[in-house]
Amino acid sequence: DTGVSQDPRHKITKRGQNVTFRCDPISEHNRLYWYRQTLGQGPEFLTYFQNEAQLEKSRLLSDRFSAERPKGSFSTLEIQRTEQGDSAMYLCASSRTDEQFFGPGTRLTVL
Amino acid sequence: QKEVEQNSGPLSVPEGAIASLNCTYSDRGSQSFFWYRQYSGKSPELIMFIYSNGDKEDGRFTAQLNKASQYVSLLIRDSQPSDSATYLCGGTSYGKLTFGQGTILTVHP
Repeated sequence: DTGVSQDPRHKITKRGQNVTFRCDPISEHNRLYWYRQTLGQGPEFLTYFQNEAQLEKSRLLSDRFSAERPKGSFSTLEIQRTEQGDSAMYLCASSRTDEQFFGPGTRLTVL
Repeated sequence: QKEVEQNSGPLSVPEGAIASLNCTYSDRGSQSFFWYRQYSGKSPELIMFIYSNGDKEDGRFTAQLNKASQYVSLLIRDSQPSDSATYLCGGTSYGKLTFGQGTILTVHP
């Protein structure tokens, strides 16, 4: 049984650089979610796909963030022109119903 | 007002005691409610979900939902040191899961 996987697990980048993260959901799950979590806070919803369609995007997500899920399989989250405030854990989750299962996360540090 | 609020922590209980974690939500459209456990440096792990008013029991865990009061709780019986973690309450509305800020639970021997 393969869970949700994310790559890379850690990313250190300099301010202004672009970064891309990948998420592979549990194989039979058609829904995929991205969250961001900072220290001492719960995960914050970023965006949600059902199959390849992006159904909702948080108002908090600036234009520097974009997510894709080509062919309804894996998903990528790109952050352009990173800022220090983007430093956080980026979590991916997948589900078949409302019960979401999280991957290990990608920890981003922007210097 | 936050959409999901959890009782302020941290919460400390002795081993073997009952730990009570509480959560209120503001969105009456929320349909399903979840409790996740998160160990330090790890991702959230689903431990309980509840859709209907009333109680739901699973081993040492009991989730309670009262939609009229917009209140969700989690009881952990016979608490163990391995239960020490941050507990996250979340509610879904049209697929979007909104979390509270989490409650840190420490179970001391």
